[in-house]
Amino acid sequence: AQSVTQLDSHVSVSEGTPVLLRCNYSSSYSPSLFWYVQHPNKGLQLLLKYTSAATLVKGINGFEAEFKKSETSFHLTKPSAHMSDAAEYFCVVSDGYGGATNKLIFGTGTLLAVQP
Amino acid sequence: GAVVSQHPSRVICKSGTSVKIECRSLDFQATTMFWYRQFPKKSLMLMATSNEGSKATYEQGVEKDKFLINHASLTLSTLTVTSAHPEDSSFYICSAPDFRETGNTIYFGEGSWLTVV
Repeated sequence: AQSVTQLDSHVSVSEGTPVLLRCNYSSSYSPSLFWYVQHPNKGLQLLLKYTSAATLVKGINGFEAEFKKSETSFHLTKPSAHMSDAAEYFCVVSDGYGGATNKLIFGTGTLLAVQP
Repeated sequence: GAVVSQHPSRVICKSGTSVKIECRSLDFQATTMFWYRQFPKKSLMLMATSNEGSKATYEQGVEKDKFLINHASLTLSTLTVTSAHPEDSSFYICSAPDFRETGNTIYFGEGSWLTVV
């Protein structure tokens, strides 16, 4: 069965400093992995996705993530945090071979706080 | 990217009444939609998979008679919370896959806050 583990429930950074949100996955086969962001009282927005193409995936708003099979990791990074990045971030794996009708399995989320 | 819209964004209903939440794919057809529930400061819990033209598939522990799902068209799925109770108060989110995109990206609605008083 597929699963994801987000290693930090809370991360706090200063504006302008790098962001690292950690995610490890478990999958019986080559997974499809996603990062979603949720601002307070809002729906989820797709940041980026990995579907067995390039291992370094670039997303919106300057975020990127690197798929590392040897480490079963898919950490989310951004070189310089902005105040507007403060939100909840979810690492997600697709239950199945990445088909759109496969279920998404969510991590427990990481709350990112950005200090001025 | 594709757009998925939910309505209403917030609803308050009295205990014992029913409330309907709509999920629409605005610029693409969605034969499948997913309904999630999110408790405060918690992750998303998949409730059911909505299938156009057929019965929804419910996750274990989700009462199908309480959470009625209808996927009447290729762009609309509805979730009806029947005989609502205060413990049904939650944030409900739908999602739909866009098959037009490589990798079959799944888009989420903005969510609907349900408060049962």
